[in-house]
Amino acid sequence: QSALTQPASVSGSPGQSIAISCTGTSSDVGGYNYVSWYQQHPGKAPKLMIYDVSNRPSGVSDRFSGSKSGNTASLTISGLQAEDEADYYCSSYTSSSTRVFGGGTKLTVL
Amino acid sequence: QVQLVESGGGVVQPGRSLRLSCAASGFTFRSYAMHWIRQAPGKGLEWVAVISYDGSHIYYADSVKGRFTISRDNSKNTMYLQMSTLGADDTAVYFCAREIYGDYGFDHWGQGTLVTVSS
Repeated sequence: QSALTQPASVSGSPGQSIAISCTGTSSDVGGYNYVSWYQQHPGKAPKLMIYDVSNRPSGVSDRFSGSKSGNTASLTISGLQAEDEADYYCSSYTSSSTRVFGGGTKLTVL
Repeated sequence: QVQLVESGGGVVQPGRSLRLSCAASGFTFRSYAMHWIRQAPGKGLEWVAVISYDGSHIYYADSVKGRFTISRDNSKNTMYLQMSTLGADDTAVYFCAREIYGDYGFDHWGQGTLVTVSS
């Protein structure tokens, strides 16, 4: 049950687009379309932003989108806003019926 | 509205046990799989365990297998996490989370309860 691999940090200026990658194996990310993404502000509970690789829950801005290629999933945030500054985590279902998270990525809006 | 409220956290000595509770409201609890997820201070999220809607399927992270037990009482709309043989590495905020109905992912989270393992 190794954690999925995410970059420790990414940054972008307001209005720009950024992408956060999430790399796993064929036993998790690559084997299922069950990757989800979470946004967490300091001291708060995580919030679901994307599920099933690319689906957005109601109420989540369409500036957030997800995709997957092979063993790597990606979260893209377009039109960066100051409020997007937060930690982002990916998660995947696994072949053992467990779940696994990525190590998290700190997004800084410059 | 959906509410998940964790309780039972606190300071516990190494090697001791502790039971966490997650009280659910605002939805049909007995229809949803539920999870425990933890976050050590300043660290990332770590998935801990899942229990199916009826308790018939249970899975654990390797780091807690054999020490932690997840359970639920659908008549009380409550999920539990019995933690034993606690160590410093178990120090974390413990969140309960609801799984998306019929799908995967965690669509609602509680605010968490802090467990500190220290002598």
